[in-house]
Amino acid sequence: ETGVTQSPTHLIKTRGQQVTLRCSSQSGHNTVSWYQQALGQGPQFIFQYYREEENGRGNFPPRFSGLQFPNYSSELNVNALELDDSALYLCASSPETGRSRVETQYFGPGTRLLVL
Amino acid sequence: AQKVTQAQTEISVVEKEDVTLDCVYETRDTTYYLFWYKQPPSGELVFLIRRNSFDEQNEISGRYSWNFQKSTSSFNFTITASQVVDSAVYFCAPCHNQGGKLIFGQGTELSVKP
Repeated sequence: ETGVTQSPTHLIKTRGQQVTLRCSSQSGHNTVSWYQQALGQGPQFIFQYYREEENGRGNFPPRFSGLQFPNYSSELNVNALELDDSALYLCASSPETGRSRVETQYFGPGTRLLVL
Repeated sequence: AQKVTQAQTEISVVEKEDVTLDCVYETRDTTYYLFWYKQPPSGELVFLIRRNSFDEQNEISGRYSWNFQKSTSSFNFTITASQVVDSAVYFCAPCHNQGGKLIFGQGTELSVKP
């Protein structure tokens, strides 16, 4: 069984640029969540996708957007990058969750983004 | 407002000692789940155990055990006979029934020395 994978592992961008991060969910999982983890902090929830639709969003501005594809893989897009966007971006997948159940989220290795 | 507090920032123990990590979750909701994750230096969050808020029985899984006290909203996680490989940052993360959002604490950095 393949776990959650993310690409790229590391990325360096400059302020004002745009970035796309990718996530492949674990086999059999149809829900993907994205988190941002600044250095020395706990992860912060960005949003979740369930069956290609957004299923919840945290306190992040609209320049953070996402997509989920029919194969349940997902992308996180960040426009107009700011220095504070430098962080570890974590993707997690979970099995069939619907909108009223809580399933365990399994995390990928993350993408380290540095904005200069 | 919901608040997750992991009061212990860093803990250092010697191998084979037992260690308990504290987590307090303040919320008005009575039904939720509480997860514990481990984050080694590589950065990947590793799922350890999960618990629901309406079951106060203590639970043991291998070297891991945890205790939930509803009166104080505390979920304490214990590692028995710690090993050097247990060195990592440990996060507790509640999750409510809707939306699947994990609310992470600040984490506790555990260092197990040989």
